[in-house]
Amino acid sequence: EPEVTQTPSHQVTQMGQEVILRCVPISNHLYFYWYRQILGQKVEFLVSFYNNEISEKSEIFDDQFSVERPDGSNFTLKIRSTKLEDSAMYFCASSETDGRNEKLFFGSGTQLSVL
Amino acid sequence: GNSVTQMEGPVTLSEEAFLTINCTYTATGYPSLFWYVQYPGEGLQLLLKATKADDKGSNKGFEATYRKETTSFHLEKGSVQVSDSAVYFCALRTTGFQKLVFGTGTRLLVSP
Repeated sequence: EPEVTQTPSHQVTQMGQEVILRCVPISNHLYFYWYRQILGQKVEFLVSFYNNEISEKSEIFDDQFSVERPDGSNFTLKIRSTKLEDSAMYFCASSETDGRNEKLFFGSGTQLSVL
Repeated sequence: GNSVTQMEGPVTLSEEAFLTINCTYTATGYPSLFWYVQYPGEGLQLLLKATKADDKGSNKGFEATYRKETTSFHLEKGSVQVSDSAVYFCALRTTGFQKLVFGTGTRLLVSP
């Protein structure tokens, strides 16, 4: 089965630093997503992206966050100035459509630790 | 708003035991309901889904029934295997929204 690939698997950064999390979605998919899970908490939706623009975002996705599809294959999440509370597992996902019943394909995640 | 509540884990079972992982939801409208599974070192994978009331989703011996009257979607398996050890996530999605709303996940540990 095709896979979503995320790099790096672990990222450690200092508070205030910028980080970029990278994802390669499945090649024929059109919708891309970022989710995160803080340890012990729910998996939370951050943002969805379609046709080179954000189509939906949560309250968590403030001005410190941005997403980009720079080259037609990668999909990145940038956090401009990391905070301690940004420490979490970040999951990238993709899907063919945005239908209510659509299956999402997830990557294995990037564990971000902000010190 | 929409939300999903799952039973706390870990759930520890012996091989061939019966599994139930409880999931209840709160949603406006008529959501689609999903169970995703995450095996160690891998991403979340769709295990099964149900799109309307009384639908039963099933896959790999797991099943869950969409119960609108109790707003539940409990995951069951008659006889678990060691290879079923993973984290199980209940989720919903409603019309007009792209986001999946997840529960906290329940870790299942199956011993030989």
